[in-house]
Amino acid sequence: AQSVTQPDIHITVSEGASLELRCNYSYGATPYLFWYVQSPGQGLQLLLKYFSGDTLVQGIKGFEAEFKRSQSSFNLRKPSVHWSDAAEYFCAVRGPGGGNKLTFGTGTQLKVEL
Amino acid sequence: DTAVSQTPKYLVTQMGNDKSIKCEQNLGHDTMYWYKQDSKKFLKIMFSYNNKELIINETVPNRFSPKSPDKAHLNLHINSLELGDSAVYFCASSPQGSGYQPQHFGDGTRLSIL
Repeated sequence: AQSVTQPDIHITVSEGASLELRCNYSYGATPYLFWYVQSPGQGLQLLLKYFSGDTLVQGIKGFEAEFKRSQSSFNLRKPSVHWSDAAEYFCAVRGPGGGNKLTFGTGTQLKVEL
Repeated sequence: DTAVSQTPKYLVTQMGNDKSIKCEQNLGHDTMYWYKQDSKKFLKIMFSYNNKELIINETVPNRFSPKSPDKAHLNLHINSLELGDSAVYFCASSPQGSGYQPQHFGDGTRLSIL
């Protein structure tokens, strides 16, 4: 069965610092990978996705993620964090070839110090 | 226009009551989902419907009954509410088939059982 691990429950960074949120997945083939962000009291907003091609994908709000098959990872990065980036971040995997459900990681809560 | 809208946003009720949450999407998607987010922010799929047909039912108690009157609507009815049902329930939708198409989420319904 597919699974997603986000090792960091909480991360605190200073505004302007770089950010990397870790995501590891377990799946037999190349999965479809997503990062979502959830602001307090809000739904989930898609940041970016990967399913094939260039392993470095660009998303909204200045985020990017790199798919590394050898490490089964899909880490999210941002070169300079803004205070408004404080939120909960979820990595998710969706198997290709049928089956529409998303399997989510447990989330990483990002705090930004001013 | 809100793409995926859920009502109500907040629902406070007593144990043993029956309640419904409504979801509507105006994206023209064929597939709709219900997810449950627990107090630790863990997201897990409950149901998925494709063109009004149930395709995923993830070991959810039969007190939970989804109903899809048409492909733009997926409502969730819960009978005999229990304390453990307290959570945030998210509705989502996506185009049919292709696993790489992201799911679009509503803002959630926060259900609190007294």
